[in-house]
Amino acid sequence: KAGVTQTPRYLIKTRGQQVTLSCSPISGHRSVSWYQQTPGQGLQFLFEYFSETQRNKGNFPGRFSGRQFSNSRSEMNVSTLELGDSALYLCASSLEAGRETQYFGPGTRLLVL
Amino acid sequence: AQSVTQLGSHVSVSEGALVLLRCNYSSSVPPYLFWYVQYPNQGLQLLLKYTTGATLVKGINGFEAEFKKSETSFHLTKPSAHMSDAAEYFCAVITLGGKLIFGQGTELSVKP
Repeated sequence: KAGVTQTPRYLIKTRGQQVTLSCSPISGHRSVSWYQQTPGQGLQFLFEYFSETQRNKGNFPGRFSGRQFSNSRSEMNVSTLELGDSALYLCASSLEAGRETQYFGPGTRLLVL
Repeated sequence: AQSVTQLGSHVSVSEGALVLLRCNYSSSVPPYLFWYVQYPNQGLQLLLKYTTGATLVKGINGFEAEFKKSETSFHLTKPSAHMSDAAEYFCAVITLGGKLIFGQGTELSVKP
């Protein structure tokens, strides 16, 4: 079974631009979560989607948004990019919502200049 | 509220030596605990997990961890380190809502 895939793997943007990242979960998995990883803050939860609905949201500004499609694929969007948004963005999928094991993709490395 | 503390941001061992990475958790509900490993420029790979049942959990690559409720600990061990074990290791607890809360990570170096 194919793992979680994320595209693109690398991105370079400038301040003020917006960006969209994509995540395809493991086949059959219905829940997708997003995490931001930075050297200073470590791994932080962004949000979780299940059945096309956002179930949980972390403590991030409204510039960070996401959605999930009927095939469970998910996208996250960051508008008005700031230098501090430079990070590795990780997507994880699980069979169901709740306390399920989450399997991670390789991540998208975003650099904001 | 739930939280995870990993003691030691960097651990160095010799090849063939015991690996011990420490993790303590705080949880108001019976915890579900995880260890993940991250190799450079990669995502997180699940090593092992504890949900309920047996407190000694075996994972991939020869790693195991023991859940000790009285000590609120979930330390990761491997009897004999290999060069390929060099990576960053994350302990995590998952909330009832399904949010993973991670420790700050421990970077493991293995010396030849």
